[in-house]
Amino acid sequence: AQSVTQLDSQVPVFEEAPVELRCNYSSSVSVYLFWYVQYPNQGLQLLLKYLSGSTLVKGINGFEAEFNKSQTSFHLRKPSVHISDTAEYFCAVSGGGYNKLIFGAGTRLAVHP
Amino acid sequence: GAVVSQHPSRVICKSGTSVKIECRSLDFQATTMFWYRQFPKQSLMLMATSNEGSKATYEQGVEKDKFLINHASLTLSTLTVTSAHPEDSSFYICSASPQGPETQYFGPGTRLLVL
Repeated sequence: AQSVTQLDSQVPVFEEAPVELRCNYSSSVSVYLFWYVQYPNQGLQLLLKYLSGSTLVKGINGFEAEFNKSQTSFHLRKPSVHISDTAEYFCAVSGGGYNKLIFGAGTRLAVHP
Repeated sequence: GAVVSQHPSRVICKSGTSVKIECRSLDFQATTMFWYRQFPKQSLMLMATSNEGSKATYEQGVEKDKFLINHASLTLSTLTVTSAHPEDSSFYICSASPQGPETQYFGPGTRLLVL
């Protein structure tokens, strides 16, 4: 079975500071990895995804993530956050014959002025 | 491109009534649609996967007779909550995929409140 662990339920940070949101997964087969963002009362928007190839993935809004197979991690980073980045962020995994996305519990990013 | 809509965005109903939620892919054909449920401050839980023209596949613990899913065309799937009760109140989100689960486009969600 596949699972996703987001280690931080909340991450407070000041505007223009760097941020890292942590995600670890477990799977016995190769996986696809995703980061989604959810603004209040809205659906999910894809930030970036790793399917294969380069382990450093760049996404929208200045976010990037690095796939680390040995550590089974896919941490999300941004060098300088804005107030508008305040939202809920979900890490997800699929693949290996599993026909669905498995989501982590989410990390609430709160950017303060 | 790749826009998914949901209707209604918000619905309030009385206990015991049925509510239908529509999910449409506006600019692509969705071979597969997914229905999720999200409780406040929690993650998305997959309820069911539906492929056009076939019966939906429900996740363990989801009552198929209570949550009726129809995927009648490549651009429309509906979720009907039958005989709704207050515990069914939640945020329901659909997603649509033109191929596998690694490409899902999410709708804006429907907030259901059952009184």
